[in-house]
Amino acid sequence: QKEVEQDPGPLSVPEGAIVSLNCTYSNSAFQYFMWYRQYSRKGPELLMYTYSSGNKEDGRFTAQVDKSSKYISLFIRDSQPSDSATYLCAMKGNTGFQKLVFGTGTRLLVSP
Amino acid sequence: EPEVTQTPSHQVTQMGQEVILRCVPISNHLYFYWYRQILGQKVEFLVSFYNNEISEKSEIFDDQFSVERPDGSNFTLKIRSTKLEDSAMYFCASSEQGWNEKLFFGSGTQLSVL
Repeated sequence: QKEVEQDPGPLSVPEGAIVSLNCTYSNSAFQYFMWYRQYSRKGPELLMYTYSSGNKEDGRFTAQVDKSSKYISLFIRDSQPSDSATYLCAMKGNTGFQKLVFGTGTRLLVSP
Repeated sequence: EPEVTQTPSHQVTQMGQEVILRCVPISNHLYFYWYRQILGQKVEFLVSFYNNEISEKSEIFDDQFSVERPDGSNFTLKIRSTKLEDSAMYFCASSEQGWNEKLFFGSGTQLSVL
């Protein structure tokens, strides 16, 4: 079983739709969960950073963590064409500095 | 807005040659990292660096790789004898504090080994 699993997509939605992106993981030691956005040929850009189970909201983005199910989600409300990018989940445990473990990324396409 | 800067954006080299990838982390950050992404694959951790020494490294980071902070602003990754499989996008990252801090990535250097 892979440590972090993420559907590569592509996920195509119309402008204004609510987008749901998900990752599952197998390592119960993971405690910190992040979502990054990556545009083509660019570096990952941090969107959301969460610790512990529950929801965290920032503008149109909501990150959800369910540690009991080892499942994390990112919701994007009122999606825009500019949201078209690859979304990477990443996670780490309590030990080690910043050895993030990434998912493969989900490619999102928002059409006008 | 402060950002991590990487140069060059694209580096082409012949197999067996040495390459140095350069990064300027965000100025008040103390922790530095290299990650890589082979085309179509996951972003993978290579090495973390703090207080002028390696804190952690992955199995990928073998004796062919080394990192250095040659002065107060630059952070470099050297590959001594490049292999075809070293072709990847290499990302530098930095964070202000240690393990519970947010990581900020540069735009990457695309390394092509021919």
